[in-house]
Amino acid sequence: DSGVTQTPKHLITATGQRVTLRCSPRSGDLSVYWYQQSLDQGLQFLIQYYNGEERAKGNILERFSAQQFPDLHSELNLSSLELGDSALYFCASSSSFGAGDGSGELFFGEGSRLTVL
Amino acid sequence: DAKTTQPPSMDCAEGRAANLPCNHSTISGNEYVYWYRQIHSQGPQYIIHGLKNNETNEMASLIITEDRKSSTLILPHATLRDTAVYYCIVKTGANNLFFGTGTRLTVIP
Repeated sequence: DSGVTQTPKHLITATGQRVTLRCSPRSGDLSVYWYQQSLDQGLQFLIQYYNGEERAKGNILERFSAQQFPDLHSELNLSSLELGDSALYFCASSSSFGAGDGSGELFFGEGSRLTVL
Repeated sequence: DAKTTQPPSMDCAEGRAANLPCNHSTISGNEYVYWYRQIHSQGPQYIIHGLKNNETNEMASLIITEDRKSSTLILPHATLRDTAVYYCIVKTGANNLFFGTGTRLTVIP
């Protein structure tokens, strides 16, 4: 158990809909990361938040957005869903945002599996 | 971040050491080598990391060559539960790791 909690574990929805994925980081971790893993794309970094502020952005679509709340939990919002958005969405947390000292390994949750029909 | 190259797949007999290579010939002096693994569709799991010295923890050992252009992850006594995709990642300061395609390790009974 990594200490990172993601809900829901499974979600089935239709094209055009909007969903929200939730992540609770490990106790004390200030950084939250979102990753998408689809069959043909591997693990793709989406976005990182540190203590409520966006720190880094990867290949995140404009239809997707995220935020980190004062209690440090994070939500990933996916809108106007398409079939290709079907994937596993992982959240990870770390204690730092990346200090260049080699610290800050990521702890991943078990993922939310999104199926768009 | 420097690019890494790993073999797509490897087999290892149960109980034997599994040696997973990684090439990172463009690594720069302040970049760390990290290893993660992903068992089936579970969340990736941190294994070990290092800068230039060899490292060992309860899960594995990491051997980094003197020129730092390659490294080897060693699982000393592989078990069936070690069957997974292993990712070698080189990173600088930012923690937003970029995963490649990794090595699919299959431990054979």
